Amino acid sequence: KQEVTQIPAALSVPEGENLVLNCSFTDSAIYNLQWFRQDPGKGLTSLLLIQSSQREQTSGRLNASLDKSSGRSTLYIAASQPGDSATYLCAVFTGTASKLTFGTGTRLQVTL
Amino acid sequence: GAVVSQHPSRVICKSGTSVKIECRSLDFQATTMFWYRQFPKKSLMLMATSNEGSKATYEQGVEKDKFLINHASLTLSTLTVTSAHPEDSSFYICSASLSQGGNEKLFFGSGTQLSVL
Repeated sequence: KQEVTQIPAALSVPEGENLVLNCSFTDSAIYNLQWFRQDPGKGLTSLLLIQSSQREQTSGRLNASLDKSSGRSTLYIAASQPGDSATYLCAVFTGTASKLTFGTGTRLQVTL
Repeated sequence: GAVVSQHPSRVICKSGTSVKIECRSLDFQATTMFWYRQFPKKSLMLMATSNEGSKATYEQGVEKDKFLINHASLTLSTLTVTSAHPEDSSFYICSASLSQGGNEKLFFGSGTQLSVL
């Protein structure tokens, strides 16, 4: 059974700091891994998708890496802004089981 | 923790038929549920937001007559793919919103893999 864990559960940083969110999964036989953000009262917003054959993806100030063999992914946010405050979720898609398993989430607060 | 049950997990149907997917919050009441779909090698995309007792709010580009969403109770939302075609083949997943300790959290179903022949 796939289990996805995110560390830390909550994080508060001052504006301008670079930060790293961690995601680990127990079954390395994944099809892809995605990072999302969730704003209060809203659905998920997709941030980055990494296929199992890829090592990283970048979008603006965001960079996500994937080390499938060790079951880890990181989301790097550069020069954080108050608008980045949200809950960040990673999710892995296991192709054979056609199942999406979400992590526990990291609640990020970027302060002025 | 809160549990969201999605059924069925996998369905294969003929072109032209309709398919209903259920999303249930088992131990909490969810005033808001969300429906997503994911194409192969693409990211998960929000389709619609479903509020109990009112019409769903669809994202741009999602056909409301094609994807019927009903949220008749606080524990059940359904997505019906009407007159399904092969291009509707996708992975569909729901989530339910729960307010806990002043924070709002989303809990997800395990998804439905739809294959239309």
